[in-house]
This record gives sequence, C-alpha cells and structure tokens, in this order.
Amino acid sequence: AQKITQTQPGMFVQEKEAVTLDCTYDTSDQSYGLFWYKQPSSGEMIFLIYQGSYDEQNATEGRYSLNFQKARKSANLVISASQLGDSAMYFCAMSAPQNSGGSNYKLTFGKGTLLTVNP
Amino acid sequence: DAGVTQSPTHLIKTRGQQVTLRCSPISGHKSVSWYQQVLGQGPQFIFQYYEKEERGRGNFPDRFSARQFPNYSSELNVNALLLGDSALYLCASSTQAKQGSGEKLFFGSGTQLSVL
Repeated sequence: AQKITQTQPGMFVQEKEAVTLDCTYDTSDQSYGLFWYKQPSSGEMIFLIYQGSYDEQNATEGRYSLNFQKARKSANLVISASQLGDSAMYFCAMSAPQNSGGSNYKLTFGKGTLLTVNP
Repeated sequence: DAGVTQSPTHLIKTRGQQVTLRCSPISGHKSVSWYQQVLGQGPQFIFQYYEKEERGRGNFPDRFSARQFPNYSSELNVNALLLGDSALYLCASSTQAKQGSGEKLFFGSGTQLSVL
C-alpha cells in the first residue's frame, strides 16, 4: 500500500523568503509519480509540480522546485520568493498502481500542510 | 477553455437520503475520477471512469456508485447517507484511459456535502 506523510500541519513564512514543505512516501512500486497540489480556500486542487520516479533531475516549475531524494523516499517542495497569494493548503500526492502490478493509477494524498505567508 | 465544473457547489441532506453529484470534465478529457475529502484530511480516491467504464474503485462501500455518460460527464451517487459522508467531493479529469504515473489530474472546486 502507498502512504504519504506530511509532518508539518502548519508553516509560516515571511513574504519574499523561501520555504520548504516536507513530504515522505512509502511504496513498493518501482514506477510512481510524485505531485504537489495547492488548495486555496475555494477548494480547487491546483497542480504545482510533478516528479517521476525515474527522473534523475529535480523538477522545477517557476518558483516551485521539488527536492527528490529517492533513497530517503522524500519529495520536499521548495517555494522561493513567497508571495501573499501562496497562503493555502499544500498536498503532496503519489501516483501509483491501484492494484499491485496493475496499469491504472490513483493518487494517494497526504494530510496537507497549511502555509501562511506573512507580510 | 472551461475547467472541470461540478454541481451543486453546496448540498445539505439528512441521514438516510440519497444524493447525486455531477461533474463535467475539461473538453477533450475522457477520464473522470472522484475523490472524497473529509475536513482536515487529504482527498481519498473513490472511482475512476473512462469511456463509460469503471477503471478503478477505492475502498468505499457499495452505497457509493458512479457512472459516465457518452459526453464524458459523470455522476456520483451516494445512497443511505451517513453523518460520516459529510465531505468535499472532488471531481478530476485527465486525458488518458490509463491514469499513468505521470498523468496530471485537473480538479474542480468540489461539492460540499453536509449530512445532518
């Protein structure tokens, strides 16, 4: 079974500073994907960044980068130059087969981290 | 282009009632997935549909059912509602039949269901 652990229920950061949101995962699958989604108070889950299990380089998307350490099974999100609009819930998720050896995947989410950006 | 749309946005039901939630995927997306998000938790996978066929089901009781229509829109039905069914129900669409490891899901804003 797949499991995502986000150990930080809440984080605070000053505007314009960088922040790291932690994520560890557990899976026995060799092929999987790691995602970060942002959920503002409106409820919509907004895709931020993706890292494949076979990707050798860390993913980057604008101000977002994913610090992927496969041996440690961690996939931390780094947000540079925080903005007030970054205040939201952040979810780490893993895409892995729904069943062992299957070809249909599902997302398994962590419990999330509430990020608050202070002016 | 319109994103994933869900209706209604809010719903209040009483225990034992039945509810139907609706989802329209992004144009061109043929796969629809449903997730339940209980307050304070991350979303949990309920169903995935592609071309009107169920392609995956999460660990939910048979009270939960879904279907997909020829235009790729989808409905989620929940029978005999329990207090514990109160949650945000999220619909997501994607392009692929097989939701591969790298397949990005596009989510709607959800339907907030309250069971009293």
